[in-house]
Amino acid sequence: DGGITQSPKYLFRKEGQNVTLSCEQNLNHDAMYWYRQDPGQGLRLIYYSQIVNDFQKGDIAEGYSVSREKKESFPLTVTSAQKNPTAFYLCASRKQGGQPQHFGDGTRLSIL
Amino acid sequence: AQSVAQPEDQVNVAEGNPLTVKCTYSVSGNPYLFWYVQYPNRGLQFLLKYITGDNLVKGSYGFEAEFNKSQTSFHLKKPSALVSDSALYFCAVRPDYGGSQGNLIFGKGTKLSVKP
Repeated sequence: DGGITQSPKYLFRKEGQNVTLSCEQNLNHDAMYWYRQDPGQGLRLIYYSQIVNDFQKGDIAEGYSVSREKKESFPLTVTSAQKNPTAFYLCASRKQGGQPQHFGDGTRLSIL
Repeated sequence: AQSVAQPEDQVNVAEGNPLTVKCTYSVSGNPYLFWYVQYPNRGLQFLLKYITGDNLVKGSYGFEAEFNKSQTSFHLKKPSALVSDSALYFCAVRPDYGGSQGNLIFGKGTKLSVKP
């Protein structure tokens, strides 16, 4: 079945450490997105990519970085510069046009 | 600023009763409108969308939504609620101008609780 796979499901970060969240899709979608979800705040866009080797900052990009070397993959790195990284992170992808975004099942990041 | 409002943090209904989850938006032009549902520790699942055409849109699991352009609203409805409908519901809007890049603006979510 086609879908979006996020790993790991749970991740713990130590102070000063960078961590990378994986997002892989086999839907042949062009665009991919990373969101951060905090209780009561809805989803906030971190980064997005419309095509391979190109990506743009979203509303809350500070302290995060991404790459898009392959169409299927859009990993997110949470750097030590992100002072409040504890959240639920969601990856999504979308075919161009009026199609809806499809979401993975998320990675929950916590601070040790 | 463009925004999406879900005025109710929580909606409580009894099983078998009709349910409505409200959404209004402040976005210029003719945006695309979406509803998603999220179960605990899961991603968002697409329920339905409105792009153009009939103002009443039918979606998954018996849900429907009514688009009202004059009121800039897109309320989610279901004639008869199930306990299994209990979840977090998100309204999302995609502006239709070229620079929007297809990005979505999300409401903060409404928790639906259906009691037996």
